[in-house]
Amino acid sequence: DAGITQSPRHKVTETGTPVTLRCHQTENHRYMYWYRQDPGHGLRLIHYSYGVKDTDKGEVSDGYSVSRSKTEDFLLTLESATSSQTSVYFCAISEAGQGNQPQHFGDGTRLSIL
Amino acid sequence: GDSVTQMEGPVTLSEEACLTINCTYTATGYPSLFWYVQYPGEGLQLLLKATKADDKGSNKGFEATYRKETTSFHLEKGSVQVSDSAVYFCALSDSSGSARQLTFGSGTQLTVLP
Repeated sequence: DAGITQSPRHKVTETGTPVTLRCHQTENHRYMYWYRQDPGHGLRLIHYSYGVKDTDKGEVSDGYSVSRSKTEDFLLTLESATSSQTSVYFCAISEAGQGNQPQHFGDGTRLSIL
Repeated sequence: GDSVTQMEGPVTLSEEACLTINCTYTATGYPSLFWYVQYPGEGLQLLLKATKADDKGSNKGFEATYRKETTSFHLEKGSVQVSDSAVYFCALSDSSGSARQLTFGSGTQLTVLP
């Protein structure tokens, strides 16, 4: 299994509070991704990173920011959480940017915003 | 933009039955195609992949063929087991851009009964 650790695994918080999710990898892969999983939507890309300090937006980036100060860590921040951001969040990593390289996923963070 | 359409679920089968989960895609260029599997409480695991037309991906008795003429990548297994119960996602790799983003279908829940 790819060495990907997501923390926390579960979190319950209130609307308007800031939330940071962490993804840590031990594979030294260049590419890291944050997805959210919602019923009927599969997984949708929030943000991704193609190197330290290099990030870009995905399909559903509004309300989220990311940072990558080290190769191994990719942080996802909800500055002011809303109920629509209740979801399961997955981090993924990929060794290279070629299309034939698969992504490897962490076990997810279940986030509930009340 | 790119999109993936998956067979609606849930699908319930008896052990040893044949499985087909339909997947069709829309993409520019020549994407790579993937099937991922998600067991309860876990992240997504790569099941198989195909990177060019007419390629057949296979793993654990599952197989899928990349059909460019019908833009399809249907997942098949000749004899399912209870342990195959999971959610299956079809995905394609964006053929443009720097980070090869994945576009997912909405997932198909498979339950296999003993």
